[in-house]
Amino acid sequence: SQQGEEDPQALSIQEGENATMNCSYKTSINNLQWYRQNSGRGLVHLILIRSNEREKHSGRLRVTLDTSKKSSSLLITASRAADTASYFCATVPAVNYGGSQGNLIFGKGTKLSVKP
Amino acid sequence: DSGVTQTPKHLITATGQRVTLRCSPRSGDLSVYWYQQSLDQGLQFLIQYYNGEERAKGNILERFSAQQFPDLHSELNLSSLELGDSALYFCASSVGTGGGFEQYFGPGTRLTVT
Repeated sequence: SQQGEEDPQALSIQEGENATMNCSYKTSINNLQWYRQNSGRGLVHLILIRSNEREKHSGRLRVTLDTSKKSSSLLITASRAADTASYFCATVPAVNYGGSQGNLIFGKGTKLSVKP
Repeated sequence: DSGVTQTPKHLITATGQRVTLRCSPRSGDLSVYWYQQSLDQGLQFLIQYYNGEERAKGNILERFSAQQFPDLHSELNLSSLELGDSALYFCASSVGTGGGFEQYFGPGTRLTVT
């Protein structure tokens, strides 16, 4: 069962622009993680933000977490063509959710296309 | 390269058959996770092992089973295959368990059931 839901489903921007992807989830969480997947390949971990954190940075990535709204956002600044990929948020529920306590529940992802 | 290896990369088989997917975790990682990715269901957590023991079960069908061996590699067995089992199967590993660790994903096995 899906816990997280990314918005938008697809996003197309020009190189150099910023890309913002949002994730909403249903239950309380221990942490939330963002992953990137290039077409048909394995997922790459980008960033982990814990439930008691509000913002985290890693290079051109900025993640925010609002536990009161059960939402997170991923901002990629100064995007590049190489950022073209699908981006997934994954939550670790604080309670047993579909048998997956302590494990990642993925959303369906945002497909980002960065045009040169 | 995540350090997680999966074999085979591609697998084509017929309905009713049985296949085994293999995963070797990153050196030092004790947890292995299996996920199924399909167009309609997205990424679904199947099962987790930690140091040889089953730790958590997700949306894994009874026709599917897994195990983790003493050398920490893991196998996912899929039997009585149906067309709907066609998907990408990913293995991931992490150093610990409990969800507080980032997971490193392998390149996946693409299973096609005809």
